[in-house]
Amino acid sequence: QLQLQESGPGLVKPSETLSLTCTVVGGSISSGSYSWGWIRQPPGKGLEWIGNIYYGSTYYNPSLKSRVTISVDTSKNQFSLKLSSVTAADTALYYCARQGGVGATAVEYWGQGTLVTVSS
Amino acid sequence: QSVLTQPPSVSGAPGQRVTISCTGSSSNIGAGYDVHWYQQLPGTAPKLLIYGNSNRPSGVPDRFTGSKSGTSASLAITGLQAADEADYYCQSYDNSLRASVFGGGTQLTVL
Repeated sequence: QLQLQESGPGLVKPSETLSLTCTVVGGSISSGSYSWGWIRQPPGKGLEWIGNIYYGSTYYNPSLKSRVTISVDTSKNQFSLKLSSVTAADTALYYCARQGGVGATAVEYWGQGTLVTVSS
Repeated sequence: QSVLTQPPSVSGAPGQRVTISCTGSSSNIGAGYDVHWYQQLPGTAPKLLIYGNSNRPSGVPDRFTGSKSGTSASLAITGLQAADEADYYCQSYDNSLRASVFGGGTQLTVL
């Protein structure tokens, strides 16, 4: 059974860069036509799609595009998220996820989520 | 303001049927893109409930049914149970944003 596990700092200072890693367990990140990405959920609010990576091409939410980078490390079976110039509005539960490709594909697998707080 | 509009809350008594709507536009649901539904139980990650408008992943009871028409989609839950109390989200793709989009979520209360 595929499992996704987020890791990274739980506290980030304003204006700094948020960095998270997702480790894929129970399957290869290189196999199959899947996209790997990130979704976040501010406390008490709804889900926001951040972006994903598919065969090396990245797709980002336009509202975050200027600050987001998603990359894959196949040797470690991991993918990562970097979000620059963070503010308190970026405080959220961050989920890593696998979608069945790009476009209107479902999120088939979710990590358990990791809370990132932006505060000095 | 979410691209896909859901009612903030719905409720029903045990055993009853409820529906949750997801209204989009010509750049997402109306453009023919699939709609997917997720169930988020308190304190847990969302779980895929319906994919491709009306398909259930293995293990999802047939009490959950998805449909799509025009610029909207719906999730119907029959035989309501206390365990169904959760937040429900729809998701699709928007070709003007070139991004996946979620509805704002609907909180289901079982009375």
